[in-house]
Amino acid sequence: GEKVEQHESTLSVREGDSAVINCTYTDTASSYFPWYKQEAGKSLHFVIDIRSNVDRKQSQRLIVLLDKKAKRFSLHITATQPEDSAIYFCAASKGYAQGLTFGLGTRVSVFP
Amino acid sequence: NSKVIQTPRYLVKGQGQKAKMRCIPEKGHPVVFWYQQNKNNEFKFLINFQNQEVLQQIDMTEKRFSAECPSNSPCSLEIQSSEAGDSALYLCASSLDWGQNTLYFGAGTRLSVL
Repeated sequence: GEKVEQHESTLSVREGDSAVINCTYTDTASSYFPWYKQEAGKSLHFVIDIRSNVDRKQSQRLIVLLDKKAKRFSLHITATQPEDSAIYFCAASKGYAQGLTFGLGTRVSVFP
Repeated sequence: NSKVIQTPRYLVKGQGQKAKMRCIPEKGHPVVFWYQQNKNNEFKFLINFQNQEVLQQIDMTEKRFSAECPSNSPCSLEIQSSEAGDSALYLCASSLDWGQNTLYFGAGTRLSVL
């Protein structure tokens, strides 16, 4: 089955700098790649997603890049703020009947 | 904020006891998923529904776990005989349809099996 590897387990960034989280997947049939944020003691909050028909998507300070050849996708958080501190999970799916396969999460800490 | 409502937030059971948790999906969302998140942040897909029908479930779910999504009632996930390894955060998520739409997660039920 699909496997998603999240390359950074922790990331520490200065406020205002960018944070980049990289994920790779194994199944070439995967076509949907969402990102979720989980703050301490809270549930998963959807932040942004990308589908395989595009290679870049931006929503305010968040940019997602998809490289289908390398089976790699990444989340760029620009101009980081303290409230960006959380665990971020990447995921991949071939279609919802298959559900999402998650990475193990990246703990992002934004310091002043 | 998520409109998926999960109850209870915390559940403590002894080994061999039944553990039941409930989920009200977001209004108008016919698709419901249950996931288990363990302390190592590993997510395990358990079961999914479209309306009241089970579409897919893993073997674990078939043996000790049961789930349903009756019409006009909350969805539920029940572990018939809890084991220590079932201690985890159980997440319910709903979606508008199967077409790669976003999954919205509830706050989860944290189960501790003593």
